[in-house]
Formats: sequence, structure tokens, C-alpha cells
Amino acid sequence: QKEVEQNSGPLSVPEGAIASLNCTYSDRGSQSFFWYRQYSGKSPELIMSIYSNGDKEDGRFTAQLNKASQYVSLLIRDSQPSDSATYLCAVREEGNTPLVFGKGTRLSVIA
Amino acid sequence: EAGVAQSPRYKIIEKRQSVAFWCNPISGHATLYWYQQILGQGPKLLIQFQNNGVVDDSQLPKDRFSAERLKGVDSTLKIQPAKLEDSAVYLCASSLSIRDTEAFFGQGTRLTVV
Repeated sequence: QKEVEQNSGPLSVPEGAIASLNCTYSDRGSQSFFWYRQYSGKSPELIMSIYSNGDKEDGRFTAQLNKASQYVSLLIRDSQPSDSATYLCAVREEGNTPLVFGKGTRLSVIA
Repeated sequence: EAGVAQSPRYKIIEKRQSVAFWCNPISGHATLYWYQQILGQGPKLLIQFQNNGVVDDSQLPKDRFSAERLKGVDSTLKIQPAKLEDSAVYLCASSLSIRDTEAFFGQGTRLTVV
């Protein structure tokens, strides 16, 4: 059974701080890694994808991948109240396998 | 570019009744997914289509759930008969191809079984 683990939170950070979200996965064959943001009552929205070890930056977001440790993280710099949402980690093998999601971490940015 | 369309947005039914959900993927997207998201959990795959063929339905409760994508475009997901534990949001997603790693989600259908 392929598993993706996330701390459910809530993770509370003050406005302007760095929010750090973590995810571990069980399948060593996983090749693609994604972070989705889901606002309450809305559908998941893709915000970052990462495929190789190291860091990938996009604006205020940085995804970090360590395949040896089976660990992927998302850093949000200068956190804003509008970043308050549930962040879902998703993992996929190569080929035709579908995304496997974690339960999500609820982030609350306090103004 | 229009996104993934789903209907209805909300549905309330009694247990043992049947219900159907509809999804229209992004134009040109060959791969279509149905996910079930129970409150407080991440989405769980129910079924994956490539054009009109089923790629993965290993987690679909086939005694009560069925899905089809007859012409390789629109898809319907049916539950018959519904149980209380089927209360969830049913999300449809699509991607350009089976090897395309980015999937885009529709707004979902929130089902409440009473």
C-alpha cells in the first residue's frame, strides 16, 4: 500500500514568517511530487511540482525533494493570510499511475 | 481555456437511493480521474480513464459504484445504492495524456447521504 504522510496540523504561523510543510512517502519508485493548495470548500489547485533532488523555487514558494530520505517539503516565505488553506502533498510513479495524496496539512497564517 | 466542469455542485439523497455525477474534462485531455475526498482526508482515486478505456479501478467499490466514459470525453460516475459513508466530495480531474504529470481538478460534487 503506497502511503503519503503529512502532519494534519493546524500549523499556525504569523504573517510574514516562513511556513514549512513536510511530507514523507513510502514508495521508493515515486518519481513525481506535487503540492496542491485547497481552500475550504474548493477543489485542489496545483502550486508546485518537483521531479529531481534539491530545491525548486517559484515566487514565495520553494519545494525541496530528498529521494534518499523519501521526503518532500514546501516552504512559503513571507506568509500571508491568503495562504491559509490545506496543503496536499501528492506523489506519482512514472508511467500511467495516478496521484496518491496525503491527508493534507492545514495552514493558518495569523495577521 | 475552460476548466474541468462538474455537475451538480451539491446533492442530498437518502441512503439506498441512486445518484449520478457528470464531468466534462478540459478539451483535448485524454486522461480523466474520479477521486473521492472524505472530510478531513486527501483525495482517494476511484477510477482512471485513458480515452474511453479504464486504466485503474482497483479502489472502486464495484458492488455499488460504476463509471463510464463512452466517447472518450465526458464521464459519469454512479452510486447505487448509496450508503451513509459515501458522503464526500467527488472530484473529477483531467490531464493531457497518461504520462502528463499535471492534473487539473473540477470544483467537485458534494454528496450528502442521509
